[in-house]
Amino acid sequence: NAGVTQTPKFQVLKTGQSMTLQCAQDMNHEYMSWYRQDPGMGLRLIHYSVGAGITDQGEVPNGYNVSRSTTEDFPLRLLSAAPSQTSVYFCASSYSPRGGYEQFFGPGTRLTVL
Amino acid sequence: EDQVTQSPEALRLQEGESSSLNCSYTVSGLRGLFWYRQDPGKGPEFLFTLYSAGEEKEKERLKATLTKKESFLHITAPKPEDSATYLCAVKTGANNLFFGTGTRLTVIP
Repeated sequence: NAGVTQTPKFQVLKTGQSMTLQCAQDMNHEYMSWYRQDPGMGLRLIHYSVGAGITDQGEVPNGYNVSRSTTEDFPLRLLSAAPSQTSVYFCASSYSPRGGYEQFFGPGTRLTVL
Repeated sequence: EDQVTQSPEALRLQEGESSSLNCSYTVSGLRGLFWYRQDPGKGPEFLFTLYSAGEEKEKERLKATLTKKESFLHITAPKPEDSATYLCAVKTGANNLFFGTGTRLTVIP
């Protein structure tokens, strides 16, 4: 079991560029989510999905897009990168969106937008 | 507004010196409180889930407790390998988890 994997580990973008952060899990989890982590702030939920074909917004969704075509994959798209999106991004998955909310986190993607 | 506050921000302990980390919360409809450990450059790692006041969970040198307003993570006789940032999160309705900013623990040999 690889658990939750994320690529790339590091990325530098210029303002206005777009890119996709990849996330995959091999635990057959229904629930997947994206967080960003900034210094002095807690992890903040960007988008989440409770199953293939179902996504919803979290606390800070603006500037990000997601889709969930399979159980395994949950990519995060930055439509037009801005310096305010410089952050560390974590993908997480959980077997149940209702209870037993143990989330498994990936290793993170460190994104810098110039 | 839902809020999670962790204290202290940073804590330095001598090896073997027991202490507690605090997580206080103001949420409507708590559906669970979670503790995670995060090492530098890595994703958070799940430690405990607590659901109701009075509940306690233990794992090695760590013990988590929950009241109606706060949770404590007690660390007994810590070792240098316990050095990490400890994150608290609360689940309210729907599917949201609200995280605190964490306590950075350093255990000195």
